[in-house]
Amino acid sequence: GEDVEQSLFLSVREGDSSVINCTYTDSSSTYLYWYKQEPGAGLQLLTYIFSNMDMKQDQRLTVLLNKKDKHLSLRIADTQTGDSAIYFCAERGWGSQGNLIFGKGTKLSVKP
Amino acid sequence: EAGVTQFPSHSVIEKGQTVTLRCDPISGHDNLYWYRRVMGKEIKFLLHFVKESKQDESGMPNNRFLAERTGGTYSTLKVQPAELEDSGVYFCASSQEQGEHEQYFGPGTRLTVT
Repeated sequence: GEDVEQSLFLSVREGDSSVINCTYTDSSSTYLYWYKQEPGAGLQLLTYIFSNMDMKQDQRLTVLLNKKDKHLSLRIADTQTGDSAIYFCAERGWGSQGNLIFGKGTKLSVKP
Repeated sequence: EAGVTQFPSHSVIEKGQTVTLRCDPISGHDNLYWYRRVMGKEIKFLLHFVKESKQDESGMPNNRFLAERTGGTYSTLKVQPAELEDSGVYFCASSQEQGEHEQYFGPGTRLTVT
């Protein structure tokens, strides 16, 4: 079955880079997403990558996709305390009508 | 523009009772999704409406869950009778187009069944 795995916790110091990793099993995934959830708020789409790309950069965010290993990562450069949140990896399969398959989320803690 | 809203933000009920969760999508969004996150687990898809029609309800756990979207605007998700394992956070999301990448999520309703 489809499965998305990610580590549960990551702690970094302010100013350092954060790398959040995710693996997925569905080789037919067409799009992969990173969502951010701040305390008490809903999920906010940070970025997404199409499966025929291997990298996407958007300001401080860099997404790397290794389709062969089914591995997705999110790098946050110059991590700030405001980046503290839960980050969810999600995929959308081929032929899917839009429903997303999520990982359990990685809680990022940024220490001053 | 108002975002996706959900009501209530938190509900505590006893096992066997009934609870109805409400979601108001962004105005004009035809697609409405319900997801659920049980404690410590993944966010799981429940169902998808296009306007008032159920497009995909493959994620609904059992017949104790009933979702409606009469008139194609807001949606309700009723759990009757509630069981302990139904506790979790219920998220609603909406998008304008079916293939649109951004699903706009509401803040969720935290349901606690005691």
